Amino acid sequence: NAGVTQTPKFQVLKTGQSMTLQCAQDMNHEYMSWYRQDPGMGLRLIHYSVGAGITDQGEVPNGYNVSRSTTEDFPLRLLSAAPSQTSVYFCASSRIGSSNQPQHFGDGTRLSIL
Amino acid sequence: QQQVKQSPQSLIVQKGGISIINCAYENTAFDYFPWYQQFPGKGPALLIAIRPDVSEKKEGRFTISFNKSAKQFSLHIMDSQPGDSATYFCAASIRVETSGSRLTFGEGTQLTVNP
Repeated sequence: NAGVTQTPKFQVLKTGQSMTLQCAQDMNHEYMSWYRQDPGMGLRLIHYSVGAGITDQGEVPNGYNVSRSTTEDFPLRLLSAAPSQTSVYFCASSRIGSSNQPQHFGDGTRLSIL
Repeated sequence: QQQVKQSPQSLIVQKGGISIINCAYENTAFDYFPWYQQFPGKGPALLIAIRPDVSEKKEGRFTISFNKSAKQFSLHIMDSQPGDSATYFCAASIRVETSGSRLTFGEGTQLTVNP
């Protein structure tokens, strides 16, 4: 069982560069989301999707774009990287329904912006 | 605006001791309160969860205590073991019409259990 797979695991970028963080899940989950984890701030929701073709903003969406063309994949794009986007990024997926659906997380992408 | 406040930020406990992590929330519309455990280099994983109509839930050495009137809940780890050393996040979930539910996380507690 692969669960939620994130690539790459580590990445170093220069300010202004763009890149895409990949996320794939094999559990046929409708809901997928991206969080960033910063020391002392917990996990904050960036963007989420409730199905193919449907995305919406979370708590900290600025500087990030997402798209959902398939149920399995939910890439996160940084259009012009800034040092403030240095963080650990987690993708998660879950079923949609009642609020007690557990979220399944990938192992994260550690991103440094120089 | 942090809707879920977690304390302490870090905690050191001796093996066999009790670890206690506290969380407080503001939004009374939250209807599900999970705790996630995260080991270094890994993503968070669901540990235990509780609904607000229950005051306590126990699973093995892990217990959630919930105080609805005070809008507080806590995680107790009994007989703490070095293998419990990890970062723990409390969270609160709210039902959202368009997306099913939405999680808000606390700041996290780094637990170290010394042998």
